[in-house]
Amino acid sequence: QKEVEQDPGPLSVPEGAIVSLNCTYSNSAFQYFMWYRQYSRKGPELLMYTYSSGNKEDGRFTAQVDKSSKYISLFIRDSQPSDSATYLCGGSNYKLTFGKGTLLTVNP
Amino acid sequence: KAGVTQTPRYLIKTRGQQVTLSCSPISGHRSVSWYQQTPGQGLQFLFEYFSETQRNKGNFPGRFSGRQFSNSRSEMNVSTLELGDSALYLCASSLNRPTGEQYFGPGTRLTVT
Repeated sequence: QKEVEQDPGPLSVPEGAIVSLNCTYSNSAFQYFMWYRQYSRKGPELLMYTYSSGNKEDGRFTAQVDKSSKYISLFIRDSQPSDSATYLCGGSNYKLTFGKGTLLTVNP
Repeated sequence: KAGVTQTPRYLIKTRGQQVTLSCSPISGHRSVSWYQQTPGQGLQFLFEYFSETQRNKGNFPGRFSGRQFSNSRSEMNVSTLELGDSALYLCASSLNRPTGEQYFGPGTRLTVT
């Protein structure tokens, strides 16, 4: 079992939709959880990271971590075509471990 | 502030050769991590350096090695290249210990023929 499991998609939504991206993890040692966005032919860019369980909001993006169920989520409100990218979830115990990524397409 | 830079951006090598990739972290960042990204396996951690010392290592064979210099710049080396080493190699830097906040470079696309 991989330490971080993520549905690869692809996921296609219309502009303005609410997007929900989800991951599960198995490593109880993870203390930090993060979401990165990767556009084609670019390096990943940090979207959000959180420490332990709870919610974190940044503009249209909300990250949720539930350590009791080992679940990581990212919600995107009012999705835009510019949000079209691969989204990587992950956990860290000072060594970052990522899921394989979910390819999201937001159609105008 | 300049971002993480990696050189070269593209590289084509032949099986059996060796390759050295370079990474310059964001100014002031002391931790540098390396990752291999492939369509099949995703983004996989190779190793992390801090103050010229390897602090963490992933599950890769000994053909993969790295080092960090006193100015925090880092290099990784792959010896005896195999076809399966074809991948995007990404470097990421952070201030201190890599929590969740790392900043990635654009990567080096290595093709082994």
